[in-house]
Amino acid sequence: AQSVTQLGSHVSVSEGALVLLRCNYSSSVPPYLFWYVQYPNQGLQLLLKYTSAATLVKGINGFEAEFKKSETSFHLTKPSAHMSDAAEYFCAVNQAGTALIFGKGTTLSVSS
Amino acid sequence: DTEVTQTPKHLVMGMTNKKSLKCEQHMGHRAMYWYKQKAKKPPELMFVYSYEKLSINESVPSRFSPECPNSSLLNLHLHALQPEDSALYLCASSQAPVGTDTQYFGPGTRLTVL
Repeated sequence: AQSVTQLGSHVSVSEGALVLLRCNYSSSVPPYLFWYVQYPNQGLQLLLKYTSAATLVKGINGFEAEFKKSETSFHLTKPSAHMSDAAEYFCAVNQAGTALIFGKGTTLSVSS
Repeated sequence: DTEVTQTPKHLVMGMTNKKSLKCEQHMGHRAMYWYKQKAKKPPELMFVYSYEKLSINESVPSRFSPECPNSSLLNLHLHALQPEDSALYLCASSQAPVGTDTQYFGPGTRLTVL
C-alpha cells in the first residue's frame, strides 16, 4: 500500500531563509507525487507535481522539488521565504485506480 | 482554466435539516471527488465518481448521499447530520481514469452542524 510521510509537523523560518519541507513516499511502482498548499479557510492549490518526466520539478511561487528514487524522497524547497508563504503544505501520492493519499501536513511559519 | 467552484461557501444546519452542497467544473474532467477535512488534518476521501458512476465509497455514513447529475456537476446531499460532521468539505476533479492525473480542488464549503 502506498503511504506518504511528512517529517516535521511545524517548520519555522525567517523571511529570506531557505525553506525545506520533507516528504518520503512508500510505493512499489513509480508514483505520481504532488505538493499542495492550503492557506487559511481556502481549498488546496497545486504547487507542483512529479510524473517521471524530470527529477527536478519547478512549481509556482518559486518552489521546487527533487524526486530521489534511491531515498524515496520528494522534498520541497524555496531559496528565500516570504511572509506570504506561511500556510499548510501537503505532500500526496497516487497511482492509477486510487485517489490521492496525503501526508499529515506541515505548517510553515515565516517570521520577519 | 483550472477552476472548480463550490456553493455555498458557508453552511450552518441543524441535525434535522436537509441540505445540499454543489460542485461544478468545466475542464472536461470525468473524475470528481468529495473530501472531508477537519482542522489541522489532511483531507479524507469520501466518494469518487468516474464517468458519472460512483467508483469509490470510503464507507461513508448514509447521512451523506452523493449525486453526479452530469459530467460537470457533483452534489453532496446531507440529512440528519451530527455535530462531529462539522468540517470543510472539498470537491476536486481530474482527468479519468482515477489516479492518472492532477486533482484540482475547489475552495470548499465550511459546514457547521448545530
